Amino acid sequence: RKEVEQDPGPFNVPEGATVAFNCTYSNSASQSFFWYRQDCRKEPKLLMSVYSSGNEDGRFTAQLNRASQYISLLIRDSKLSDSATYLCVVNGKGGSQGNLIFGKGTKLSVKP
Amino acid sequence: DVKVTQSSRYLVKRTGEKVFLECVQDMDHENMFWYRQDPGLGLRLIYFSYDVKMKEKGDIPEGYSVSREKKERFSLILESASTNQTSMYLCASTPVEGNYEQYFGPGTRLTVT
Repeated sequence: RKEVEQDPGPFNVPEGATVAFNCTYSNSASQSFFWYRQDCRKEPKLLMSVYSSGNEDGRFTAQLNRASQYISLLIRDSKLSDSATYLCVVNGKGGSQGNLIFGKGTKLSVKP
Repeated sequence: DVKVTQSSRYLVKRTGEKVFLECVQDMDHENMFWYRQDPGLGLRLIYFSYDVKMKEKGDIPEGYSVSREKKERFSLILESASTNQTSMYLCASTPVEGNYEQYFGPGTRLTVT
């Protein structure tokens, strides 16, 4: 099983659609979970951390299921500006000192 | 705001040249990282450092070395550049306390001809 595995994508959706990304991780000892966003030819930037209880930030909702080692990101009412690659990120083996494992990303294109 | 800067946005070097990529962060972070990012392969960790003069190999250290003489600066060195090192190189930093969020520099797109 790959360390962090994401939906392959790409996802092409119309404006206003709801879209969900899924991610699984292999290290059951991981303690920190994130979704990063990366625009074309730019660096990754933190979109949101993912907490055990689930968390919401405006149109974005992140969920964590530790038992299944599964993370999700839901985007409601998609905007053109949401077009980007979304990276699922988990902290590394033994949770050692900030070593993060990045998924390969899922590309989202929101069309008018 | 955390700021991570990298010395060049674009760099073109010849095969066999020694290449230095510099990264500086201004937030007194202990941990610094070098990644490369290639289409279809995602971000891969080359080296990281927990403190000055400390370094640890990541997943793909072959052909690279690093230097951390000062806390704010982490350098990636390609001793003898090869065409398969053409890539986007990203530096990141994170404090030792907290939830491990990494802050990235803008990246250096290196082409080796």
